Amino acid sequence: QVQLVESGGGVVQSGRSLRLSCAASGFTFSTYSMHWVRQAPGKGLEWVAVISSDGNHDYYGDSVKGRFTISRDNSKNTVFLQMNSLRPEDTAIYYCARETRDYGSLWAFDYWGQGTLVTVSS
Amino acid sequence: QSALTQPASVSGSPGQSITISCTGASSDVGGYNYVSWYQHHPGKAPKLMIYHVSYRPSGVSNRFSGSKSGNTASLTISGLQAEDEADYYCGSYTSGSTPYVFGSGTKVTVL
Repeated sequence: QVQLVESGGGVVQSGRSLRLSCAASGFTFSTYSMHWVRQAPGKGLEWVAVISSDGNHDYYGDSVKGRFTISRDNSKNTVFLQMNSLRPEDTAIYYCARETRDYGSLWAFDYWGQGTLVTVSS
Repeated sequence: QSALTQPASVSGSPGQSITISCTGASSDVGGYNYVSWYQHHPGKAPKLMIYHVSYRPSGVSNRFSGSKSGNTASLTISGLQAEDEADYYCGSYTSGSTPYVFGSGTKVTVL
């Protein structure tokens, strides 16, 4: 069965960096685009970033552009989110999610991890 | 890129039908069929309920249906059940500065 397990969350000071990981299993990882989505306390879902199946293309939400970098290692079935220059408003649960269709995109996310909490203190 | 507009809350009695709207623009909901809906119970992972406007993933109850008219997409839940009480979010591909945007979220309450 498909499983996505995030790790790397924690408490970090404003301006510092953190790297999240998402380990995937139960499907052919290298054929799916992968996304990161976050939810700040008491707020709604916010799309963060996507990386193509081959890792050659990535796109970001406006609020993280220039600070966050998504990457993947298809040999280890893992997607990463490098978060630099963190701000208190980046405090959120971060979810990784799988694109619904392989070798393409329907811009829908059919499997999600349980999330990892990132807290940025000022 | 602003969030798509959803009503903050919708409620209904067991067995009734409710509809949640998701209003965007021609650059997102109106311009593409990449509209999806997610159910989110607090503390759990979100669940995909509808994709490509009206397609249901395997395992999702046929009580859930999606549609679109112009710049507004809709999720209808028929035969409302207690387990449907959750937050619901729409999402859409967008040609704006960021390629994807979620809706503001709707809390569904089963009376």
